[in-house]
Amino acid sequence: EIVLTQSPGTLSLSPGERATLSCRASQSVSSSYLAWYKQKHGQAPRLLVYGASNRATGIPDRFSGSGSGTDFTLTISRLEPEDFAVYYCHHYGSSRTFGQGTKVESK
Amino acid sequence: QVQLVQSEAEVKKPGSSVKVFCKVSGGTFSSYGTSWVRQAPGQGLEWMGGIIPIFATPDYAQKFQGRLTISADESTNTAYMELSSLRSEDTAVYFCARGFGGPFDSWGQGTLVTVSS
Repeated sequence: EIVLTQSPGTLSLSPGERATLSCRASQSVSSSYLAWYKQKHGQAPRLLVYGASNRATGIPDRFSGSGSGTDFTLTISRLEPEDFAVYYCHHYGSSRTFGQGTKVESK
Repeated sequence: QVQLVQSEAEVKKPGSSVKVFCKVSGGTFSSYGTSWVRQAPGQGLEWMGGIIPIFATPDYAQKFQGRLTISADESTNTAYMELSSLRSEDTAVYFCARGFGGPFDSWGQGTLVTVSS
């Protein structure tokens, strides 16, 4: 079973700053099967990035995904007020699993 | 535009079962997968299992083997999740999502299941 470990647990930043979120897999995974989601409190998650680096429909270009093998990154270039939320990485290959989440909070 | 609408909240006794439905509209149901994900209070997302209706055979996370049944009715574009032998730790919001071997690109609104005596 693949385990995804996200870091940091919490990121405290101000609007306009850059956010860098990490997702590390316990074994090498195909980047084709790595996604990122955003979840605001009380809402369903929303797909941001799939295939490690492809933005989903309607997602602004301040969100970008990168990485391969065991290390993946979600970058938010300049935080907007609506970006403060919890972010999850997700492997949807043969072993489907989520990371434990990174909370991006306003400093 | 794909929409997934789930059944209402449920309160169940320990040891009982719960069945949640997820009706899909605006997209291709049979060849797309539907997955179930749960989120305990204050916790992260946990994949439970999923199904691609045209193949009919569901796949379950090992943790739920023997307690979870996922099914789909192609005639009504509806997926179902039934969890048995409920315990307090099963109290959670249960989401359905479109996707199985692919990313989860649309989600239901979530169904709160509370297990309490």
